[in-house]
Amino acid sequence: GQQVMQIPQYQHVQEGEDFTTYCNSSTTLSNIQWYKQRPGGHPVFLIQLVKSGEVKKQKRLTFQFGEAKKNSSLHITATQTTDVGTYFCAGALRAGKSTFGDGTTLTVKP
Amino acid sequence: DAGITQSPRHKVTETGTPVTLRCHQTENHRYMYWYRQDPGHGLRLIHYSYGVKDTDKGEVSDGYSVSRSKTEDFLLTLESATSSQTSVYFCAIRTPGEVTEAFFGQGTRLTVV
Repeated sequence: GQQVMQIPQYQHVQEGEDFTTYCNSSTTLSNIQWYKQRPGGHPVFLIQLVKSGEVKKQKRLTFQFGEAKKNSSLHITATQTTDVGTYFCAGALRAGKSTFGDGTTLTVKP
Repeated sequence: DAGITQSPRHKVTETGTPVTLRCHQTENHRYMYWYRQDPGHGLRLIHYSYGVKDTDKGEVSDGYSVSRSKTEDFLLTLESATSSQTSVYFCAIRTPGEVTEAFFGQGTRLTVV
């Protein structure tokens, strides 16, 4: 079946440093979504990417979708303590069904 | 938050007993999902539904069954709970259209002793 691999599993940074998490699919995706889950909370939707090579920005967050639509990345510039949490990618082969990566847990030291 | 609620929020049950978790939505969305979340495994799909009485298995469906008799309710049943089913369970609904955003419930923490 479809597999979505996400690395790294954990990332510890000093406040102000950058952070990147990577997502790789074994198959070509129709779209990829990113979610953030704060400690003790539930996943919250961040963004959806659909087009090959697409790049979207949300303030300090930059999302990219690879040219082959099999990989994606989330980059956070100048991390803040509010960025703490687990970031998940979710790759969709078809409408209505996505496979989540295992997530990258980010901790930020003030 | 989208209109999605899970009940109960916490439950402790004994091995071998049946357990039912409820997910209720007020959004009238077609797609509903049950996931379990365990450390190091992210969110794994148990079952999902694409309409009333239309359900399908996910990647970790063994030991679980679901029912959807109304658009707003999606029930997850552990037929005979085992300790390996101790987990946090999330229900989700997905919006239709170009951006199929998933909204998650608050989660149910289930402990099987």
